[in-house]
Amino acid sequence: AQKITQTQPGMFVQEKEAVTLDCTYDTSDPSYGLFWYKQPSSGEMIFLIYQGSYDQQNATEGRYSLNFQKARKSANLVISASQLGDSAMYFCAMRENQGGSEKLVFGKGTKLTVNP
Amino acid sequence: EAGVAQSPRYKIIEKRQSVAFWCNPISGHATLYWYQQILGQGPKLLIQFQNNGVVDDSQLPKDRFSAERLKGVDSTLKIQPAKLEDSAVYLCASSLERQQETQYFGPGTRLLVL
Repeated sequence: AQKITQTQPGMFVQEKEAVTLDCTYDTSDPSYGLFWYKQPSSGEMIFLIYQGSYDQQNATEGRYSLNFQKARKSANLVISASQLGDSAMYFCAMRENQGGSEKLVFGKGTKLTVNP
Repeated sequence: EAGVAQSPRYKIIEKRQSVAFWCNPISGHATLYWYQQILGQGPKLLIQFQNNGVVDDSQLPKDRFSAERLKGVDSTLKIQPAKLEDSAVYLCASSLERQQETQYFGPGTRLLVL
């Protein structure tokens, strides 16, 4: 079974508008972390935002916010005021403990295109 | 602060040849990771080091892949012999400690096996 599911292979948004990228996860571990990374065409994975499973408030980092709904096991990324430079692949990832090792498991990603 | 460095950025080889990738993590980061990212997929962990010891290599194809981090800083990932299906981006990441720390990635090495 997939641990991280990103159901949107591609998304389009107009410049300056907000966009939500979906992510659902599956774990039985009570302690876990959720991450979003951006991967431009250059290939580097850029860390955007982190949410811990025990965090009471949704994480925010500038134009990025994470809509964390624990009961639904969802961790959607919201990008406000989209910019052309936001066009990239976006990956949701979950850190969980497996056999004493902290692993980061990634989804398949969503390709975001920002139109002028 | 310098980020994670990787070299080479690109490599083209023929199947059955060998290849090696190098990674220098962020200064002071004890944990180093190697990931394989096949086109159209998210990265998959190959091996994780804590200082110079292996924490997890359960997904490393040990018949052809090997990795080392002898002095607890730089790391090398080797493939010998390469197969067509090894064509991918190989990403190196590091974190301050193993648990509950954000991983920071390097630019990756794009490998094409012909």
